[in-house]
Amino acid sequence: DIQMTQSPSAMSASVGDRVTITCRASQGISNYLAWFQQKPGKVPKRLIYASSSLQSGVPSRFSGSGSGTEFTLTISSLQPEDFATYYCLQHNSYPYTFGQGTKLEIK
Amino acid sequence: EVQLVESGGGLVQPGGSLRLSCAASGFTFSSYEMNWVRQAPGKGLEWISYISSSGSTIYYADSVKGRFTISRDNTQNSLYLQMNSLRAEDTAVYYCARGGAMGCWGQGTLVTVSS
Repeated sequence: DIQMTQSPSAMSASVGDRVTITCRASQGISNYLAWFQQKPGKVPKRLIYASSSLQSGVPSRFSGSGSGTEFTLTISSLQPEDFATYYCLQHNSYPYTFGQGTKLEIK
Repeated sequence: EVQLVESGGGLVQPGGSLRLSCAASGFTFSSYEMNWVRQAPGKGLEWISYISSSGSTIYYADSVKGRFTISRDNTQNSLYLQMNSLRAEDTAVYYCARGGAMGCWGQGTLVTVSS
């Protein structure tokens, strides 16, 4: 099974900060990597697919990069509505696996 | 509008069974692979099952293999998850999600396994 190691597990940041979250796969997954945002009590929302493609309607301050085993989600300038938990997902092979999540809190 | 609506959750005793449904609308359901994902209270997301667009290919997470069965009815635009031999650790919100990269999710249905 492919393990997805997401870091950090939690972080605090301020509005306007640039934030980077990393997911490392235990083996190569090409670009079969998606990023999700989840707010408390809400449904996960896909932000990025195919490692770097921005989901329609998602603000351009979100970006994704990487291929193979290392991937990053970057928020260029944090906005108040971005404070949430973020998950990566590998869908290269079964069982699909999510990262453990990164909780982004206000500093 | 693309929509997925889960139903069938509830309170069940350990060892019991439930059948979840996911009704799809706003897209050609028969063209999409589908997944079930769950989230235990206060925990992260866990993929549990996949079914191909035709229903011919199915995968399960080890945590549910042999107890859960995924199926679909493309004539009814519906996805199902039959859950047997339920355990306390199966308590979670269950989501259906469209496609391998899960671009669309339902609102979820809560399953509580408790005596």
